[in-house]
Amino acid sequence: QMQLQESGPGLVKPSQTLSLTCAVTGGSVGTADYFWTWIRQPPGKGLEWIGYIFYSGRTHYNPSLKNRITMSVDTSQNHFSLNLTSVTAGDTAVYFCARGGFTYGSFVIWGQGSQVTVSS
Amino acid sequence: SSELTQPPSVSVSPRQAATITCSGDKLQDKFVSWYLQRPGQSPLLLIYQDFKRPSGIPERFSASNSGNTATLTISGTQDSDEADYYCQAWDSTTVAFGGGTKLTVL
Repeated sequence: QMQLQESGPGLVKPSQTLSLTCAVTGGSVGTADYFWTWIRQPPGKGLEWIGYIFYSGRTHYNPSLKNRITMSVDTSQNHFSLNLTSVTAGDTAVYFCARGGFTYGSFVIWGQGSQVTVSS
Repeated sequence: SSELTQPPSVSVSPRQAATITCSGDKLQDKFVSWYLQRPGQSPLLLIYQDFKRPSGIPERFSASNSGNTATLTISGTQDSDEADYYCQAWDSTTVAFGGGTKLTVL
């Protein structure tokens, strides 16, 4: 049974870079059948898609965030990562990683979420 | 446009049917999924490919997608169905989520 687990600092200072990693267990990140996604949820608000990456390294980012986002995948470590630069308080959220199926674009497997607070 | 619109809240009496809509431009041309999220938990996939249920999801959850509107219906609503519900669309490139609907079981 595949599982995803986010990790990273819970507190980031304004203007700095937020870095998160999603470890994949019970399966391989190196498959063409899926894409690996980051989704966030600000406190009390809805879900926002951040972007996704294939094992090949091909990415697609939310246009509203794409100037600040970099995603990467490491097949040797079986994980994928998110970097979000120049953060502000508006980036405070629970960040989820999820596995997406390319055919129907749905997310069956989610991480438990990682709370990130942007504050000095 | 990838924007999806859901009603912020829906109320339903126990054992009655609840309907949650999701509107978006040419939504029928995209695949729609639905998720349930309880407080403090990760979203749970309820519906994929417009109307299909993953294994383990009760038959009382059903959905459709036509024109510019996708609809999630919960038949025989139970107290445990009280949660936030999100639609999500996929056009083979872009992911979009609706703003979410809080379902209250009165």
